[in-house]
Amino acid sequence: DAKTTQPTSMDCAEGRAANLPCNHSTISGNEYVYWYRQIHSQGPQYIIHGLKNNETNEMASLIITEDRKSSTLILPHATLRDTAVYYCIVIVYGGSQGNLIFGKGTKLSVKP
Amino acid sequence: ETGVTQTPRHLVMGMTNKKSLKCEQHLGHNAMYWYKQSAKKPLELMFVYNFKEQTENNSVPSRFSPECPNSSHLFLHLHTLQPEDSALYLCASSQGTSGYNEQFFGPGTRLTVL
Repeated sequence: DAKTTQPTSMDCAEGRAANLPCNHSTISGNEYVYWYRQIHSQGPQYIIHGLKNNETNEMASLIITEDRKSSTLILPHATLRDTAVYYCIVIVYGGSQGNLIFGKGTKLSVKP
Repeated sequence: ETGVTQTPRHLVMGMTNKKSLKCEQHLGHNAMYWYKQSAKKPLELMFVYNFKEQTENNSVPSRFSPECPNSSHLFLHLHTLQPEDSALYLCASSQGTSGYNEQFFGPGTRLTVL
């Protein structure tokens, strides 16, 4: 599976959009980009995933560049409860073993 | 509430003790996972079960022994652990093990080995 690179930490003001970048320059054509987050001392939570088109759900939007070498997770109106570590993971979609390989992620701090 | 429960939530044990962690999923999933999260380290996959069969052991020491009696229950039996095994142990489940299956995580068991 392709490796991902994320900033170690980011701050965001409450009510503003949080834009979390992820670099995955070695991504293959059959690999999807997944985002999970982990609020302190809880289990990770799935947020969103995508292949090449932009995706949106009730939690967030995912913007993937045309060359698929990077992506951005957008939380449109960040709240204090969005403070968490956000993980960008690249995984083969439909492969026989879709194991999640977690990196260190980005620690997002939403401040009042 | 993710539909995955873990007990106990906290556990303190000595190095000579034997204890077990329990995970139960109420989602009708077929795959279950154990992860370990040590302080300031990324989550590490330990074991994967699919339809009760172990499909992956990520070079985990034998003092950790998983058991999956059915698709809804997963246990992690612990014996003669070391202090460095202190960590948050997370269970997860998914419909299958293919890459498009979202994983649902339990709240974890915080283990302290004295």
